[in-house]
Amino acid sequence: EDKVVQSPLSLVVHEGDTVTLNCSYEVTNFRSLLWYKQEKKAPTFLFMLTSSGIEKKSGRLSSILDKKELSSILNITATQTGDSAIYLCAVDRGGATNKLIFGTGTLLAVQP
Amino acid sequence: DTGVSQNPRHKITKRGQNVTFRCDPISEHNRLYWYRQTLGQGPEFLTYFQNEAQLEKSRLLSDRFSAERPKGSFSTLEIQRTEQGDSAMYLCASSQGLAGGSSYEQYFGPGTRLTVT
Repeated sequence: EDKVVQSPLSLVVHEGDTVTLNCSYEVTNFRSLLWYKQEKKAPTFLFMLTSSGIEKKSGRLSSILDKKELSSILNITATQTGDSAIYLCAVDRGGATNKLIFGTGTLLAVQP
Repeated sequence: DTGVSQNPRHKITKRGQNVTFRCDPISEHNRLYWYRQTLGQGPEFLTYFQNEAQLEKSRLLSDRFSAERPKGSFSTLEIQRTEQGDSAMYLCASSQGLAGGSSYEQYFGPGTRLTVT
């Protein structure tokens, strides 16, 4: 059965800290891995990763995929209280539908 | 606003009643997805449309659930004879789905939160 596992389940840090969120997957087919940020509403798109070893960066956030290890990390540097959210990892299995298989998310709380 | 929109945002209903939700995808997107999210879990896939054709349904989608996308634009999700276990956030997402690159990114609407009492 396809699955996506995220760790840690939750994390509390102070403003200015750097955090690393982990995502591992076991799927029958793989097309891409996506990261989303979810506050009290729908997930908002952060990154899509298809190639191993190529870092994607947006401001203080960056992410990289390791297809050999079937995993990805999301880094957030110089965290701010506005980074507090659930971070979701999802795998696109490709095929005819490109439906996403989501992990349960990592709840990040950034304290002032 | 050119993003994905969903209506209503919140719905409270009594067990046994029927409810219908609407999703308007991003206009140039031909792929539309419905997901369900319960507290503490990531979204789970329910069903997928390419244009007006419903091409995949999850086993989570019991006979009480039906979805349509009649003209390949907006979509509706109907739940008949609601049960308390149907309480969840129902999310709609769309993507362009053209060959290559970023067109497979799925963009989510704000969701409809259903509470069945």
